[in-house]
Amino acid sequence: GENVEQHPSTLSVQEGDSAVIKCTYSDSASNYFPWYKQELGKRPQLIIDIRSNVGEKKDQRIAVTLNKTAKHFSLHITETQPEDSAVYFCAASIGWSTLTFGKGTMLLVSP
Amino acid sequence: GAVVSQHPSWVICKSGTSVKIECRSLDFQATTMFWYRQFPKQSLMLMATSNEGSKATYEQGVEKDKFLINHASLTLSTLTVTSAHPEDSSFYICSARDGAGGQINEQFFGPGTRLTVL
Repeated sequence: GENVEQHPSTLSVQEGDSAVIKCTYSDSASNYFPWYKQELGKRPQLIIDIRSNVGEKKDQRIAVTLNKTAKHFSLHITETQPEDSAVYFCAASIGWSTLTFGKGTMLLVSP
Repeated sequence: GAVVSQHPSWVICKSGTSVKIECRSLDFQATTMFWYRQFPKQSLMLMATSNEGSKATYEQGVEKDKFLINHASLTLSTLTVTSAHPEDSSFYICSARDGAGGQINEQFFGPGTRLTVL
């Protein structure tokens, strides 16, 4: 089955800096890659996703890049703010199959 | 749109009792719902896939007789933890996929249920 590796497990940045979280996946047939943000004790919320027919997608301060050849995708957050502090999960799926999640990255943005 | 609710938000029960958790899609029809379990500081672990009108598909290692899933309508799936034990204490989260979402596998998560078994 699919295996998703996520790095780093924790990431501390200063407010205003950029943050990058990387994920690799094992199944080259995977074609949907969402990123979720989860605050403590709350539900995961989709912040951005990308499909395999696109190499990059951007939404304001958030962007995701996909390298199908290398089987990795990354989340980029620019101009980080304290409210960006949370746990971020990447995931991958093939078509309508189940999502396989990475282990998560705890992002801490210090004022 | 795309709101998923879960009830209850937290529950405390005695060891040996059963607990039912409901997951509802409020503004869309969900032919497929998923049940996850999340331990503190860990990722979401898929327990089972719930399909409306058919038996749930359980992930390896998940006891289907202990975690009963029923998806009787397009907007409701229930998870019953039978004969709960302290090791079942966890955060249970459901998600739902919009049946009209085309080829996009976007899932919407419920707020989760914190189960504590004494």
